[in-house]
Amino acid sequence: GIQVEQSPPDLILQEGANSTLRCNFSDSVNNLQWFHQNPWGQLINLFYIPSGTKQNGRLSATTVATERYSLLYISSSQTTDSGVYFCAVERRSTGTASKLTFGTGTRLQVTL
Amino acid sequence: DTAVSQTPKYLVTQMGNDKSIKCEQNLGHDTMYWYKQDSKKFLKIMFSYNNKELIINETVPNRFSPKSPDKAHLNLHINSLELGDSAVYFCASSQDPTRTQETQYFGPGTRLLVL
Repeated sequence: GIQVEQSPPDLILQEGANSTLRCNFSDSVNNLQWFHQNPWGQLINLFYIPSGTKQNGRLSATTVATERYSLLYISSSQTTDSGVYFCAVERRSTGTASKLTFGTGTRLQVTL
Repeated sequence: DTAVSQTPKYLVTQMGNDKSIKCEQNLGHDTMYWYKQDSKKFLKIMFSYNNKELIINETVPNRFSPKSPDKAHLNLHINSLELGDSAVYFCASSQDPTRTQETQYFGPGTRLLVL
């Protein structure tokens, strides 16, 4: 199956700093999602981004499908950005079942 | 306007008991899933149902039995609970299994602790 690795595993930022989280995957994919798991455990969809670049407020994501990686940018970080960020991918053909494979996560702590 | 909901949110029980977790989605999606997140935060798919039919079963022990009474509901029943079953269980749904590009939407999770 597809292997998904995220880096760094842990990240501590001071409020206001910028950061880049990386997701590498071992095979071509046709689905890639970024999630934020907040300190209460909720999994929140950030981006659906199998290729290209998207932006949503202070967050943006870029997936370079041909090179098998995706980046999540967090600018002007806030304490509410703390939590674990997951990348999840899948590769499937039309008509087959969907099955996301999750990465190992990046644990982010934003301090005052 | 909850999209994917799960009950209960917390479940504490003794080894050997049988328990159920319920999931409902009001998004009109055809496909629903169960994922397990272990103590190291690793998330892995367990089951997938499309329109009440089981389509993915990821070598989960047969003590776990999913049931889908209709396409908006997917319940998870666990028999003879073991310590290793302690985890957070997430339900998810997606719209159309025939499309290769789909977004999955997750419920809030059920935190199961087996003592």
